Amino acid sequence: LAKTTQPISMDSYEGQEVNITCSHNNIATNDYITWYQQFPSQGPRFIIQGYKTKVTNEVASLFIPADRKSSTLSLPRVSLSDTAVYYCLVAQPYGNKLVFGAGTILRVKS
Amino acid sequence: EPEVTQTPSHQVTQMGQEVILRCVPISNHLYFYWYRQILGQKVEFLVSFYNNEISEKSEIFDDQFSVERPDGSNFTLKIRSTKLEDSAMYFCAGGATGGLHNEQFFGPGTRLTVL
Repeated sequence: LAKTTQPISMDSYEGQEVNITCSHNNIATNDYITWYQQFPSQGPRFIIQGYKTKVTNEVASLFIPADRKSSTLSLPRVSLSDTAVYYCLVAQPYGNKLVFGAGTILRVKS
Repeated sequence: EPEVTQTPSHQVTQMGQEVILRCVPISNHLYFYWYRQILGQKVEFLVSFYNNEISEKSEIFDDQFSVERPDGSNFTLKIRSTKLEDSAMYFCAGGATGGLHNEQFFGPGTRLTVL
């Protein structure tokens, strides 16, 4: 499984756009990039998944450059309730388990 | 929106005791998982379960652990003889399909405290 590296923590203010970048230099051809969010004392929650270029849903956008060695999760206009840990995962299409790293602690301030 | 439920929310037990953690996955899910998270640490995979058998397990999932889907709705994790280091949040998760293109839905977790 490809190793992922992301910042330990980030601070932001309400209303700002937040971009969290993850590097995954050893990503394999068939791997997908997936992001999960975890609030304190709760289970992780799927945010978005992509293979290449750009994916957007109602919560976030995911930007993946052509070489796929990194990805950026973009959260538009964050609010206090977006304070959470954000995990970047590289997922094999036929695997079973999710491999979580340490994640990025995002703190949104008013 | 359907969700995964777990009971109890908090379990306190004495070292050496058996515990059973219960999960009710979303009804149309076929793939089930247990993860754990020791306080302040990463979420760790324990085991995956499909078609009434374990499909993958981690090194953590030793002979003290077992899983079962006894009645087609509940999914349980049993720890036969708990150790202090088993204290953690245990998350059940499920998915409608296998493979990792599709999201896994996590429950709220059971906090296990071993004294």
